[in-house]
Parts: sequence; structure tokens; C-alpha cells
Amino acid sequence: AQSVAQPEDQVNVAEGNPLTVKCTYSVSGNPYLFWYVQYPNRGLQFLLKYITGDNLVKGSYGFEAEFNKSQTSFHLKKPSALVSDSALYFCAVRDKGNYGQNFVFGPGTRLSVLP
Amino acid sequence: GAGVSQSPSNKVTEKGKDVELRCDPISGHTALYWYRQRLGQGLEFLIYFQGNSAPDKSGLPSDRFSAERTGESVSTLTIQRTQQEDSAVYLCASSLLGSSSTDTQYFGPGTRLTVL
Repeated sequence: AQSVAQPEDQVNVAEGNPLTVKCTYSVSGNPYLFWYVQYPNRGLQFLLKYITGDNLVKGSYGFEAEFNKSQTSFHLKKPSALVSDSALYFCAVRDKGNYGQNFVFGPGTRLSVLP
Repeated sequence: GAGVSQSPSNKVTEKGKDVELRCDPISGHTALYWYRQRLGQGLEFLIYFQGNSAPDKSGLPSDRFSAERTGESVSTLTIQRTQQEDSAVYLCASSLLGSSSTDTQYFGPGTRLTVL
């Protein structure tokens, strides 16, 4: 079975500092990995995804994520945080080999960027 | 173009009543997903429709929950005899080809259900 862990419920960072939101996963085969962001009272918005190829994936709003197969991680990063980045972030995974199997989402990490 | 829309945005109901939640996916998207998000928690998969295939109902928490989809368009999620633990935000997502591909899910704004 596939699973996703986001070990931090809450991440606090000062505006202008780099941010990292952690995600680790477990699948039986090779993964598809996604990051979504949820702003207050809004639905989830797609940020970026890893399918294959370059381990460093660049996405919306200056975010990027690095796929690390040996550590089974897909941490979300941004070089310089903005107050407007404050939101709930979800990591999701699907096993490439299991067609028809659905995406599994992590529990979410709340990011607070302090001015 | 238009995104995924859901209605109503908010629904308050009394325990024991039935509710229907509606999702309009992005036009042309063959796959449609329903998720539940309880306060402060992650997404819980409920059901998945892919074209004309039988839906994947493996996430439905009880037989009080059911969903239908008309072709590749609108879907309704029905909760019968609502309970207080059904209170949550119900999110709908659609994707172009479904989970057998690499495509991205696009989410609606959700319906916030409160059962008194």
C-alpha cells in the first residue's frame, strides 16, 4: 500500500528566509509525487509534480521540490518565503505501477510566514 | 476557462436529514474524485469515477454515502441520515485522463457541511 507522511504539523519561518516543507512516501514501485497548496476557504491548488527525469522540479509561485529516491522524500522548498505563502500544504503520491489506484494525500503541513 | 465548481458552498443540516452535494468538473475531464476533509485534517478519498468504468467506491465510509455521475459531467454525492461526524468540507476534483496517467487533479472550492 502507498502512504505519505508529512512529519511537521506546523512550520514557521520569517519572511525572506528559505522554507522547507517535508514529505516522505512509501510505494511498492516508482512514484508520481505532487504538492498542492490550500489557502483559507479555498480548494486545493496544484503546485508541482514529479513524474520522471530531473529530480529537481520547479513549480508555481517560485516553489520547487527535490525527489530523493534513496531517502523516499519529496521536500518542498522556496529560497525566500513571502507572507502570502502562509497556507496549508499537502503532499500526494501515486504508485506508477498500480493503474487505477488513487492518489494518497498526506495530512498537511501548515506554513506560517511571519513578517 | 472554468474550473471545477461545487454547490452549495455551505450546507447546514439537522442530524438525520439527507443532503446532496454537487460537482461540475472541468469540461472534457474524464475522471472525477470526491474527498472529505475534516477540520484540521488531510484529505480522505471517498470515490472515483473514470469514464464509463465502474466507480471505485472503496473510500466510502458507510452505506449512507453514495455518489453518481452522469456520463463525463456532473456528479452528486449523497449522504443519507446525516450524522454529526459527517461534518466536514467535501472536495471534488477532476482530471483529464484519470489515475492511470500522470495528469493533475484540479480541485473545486469545496462544500462545507455542518450537521447540527
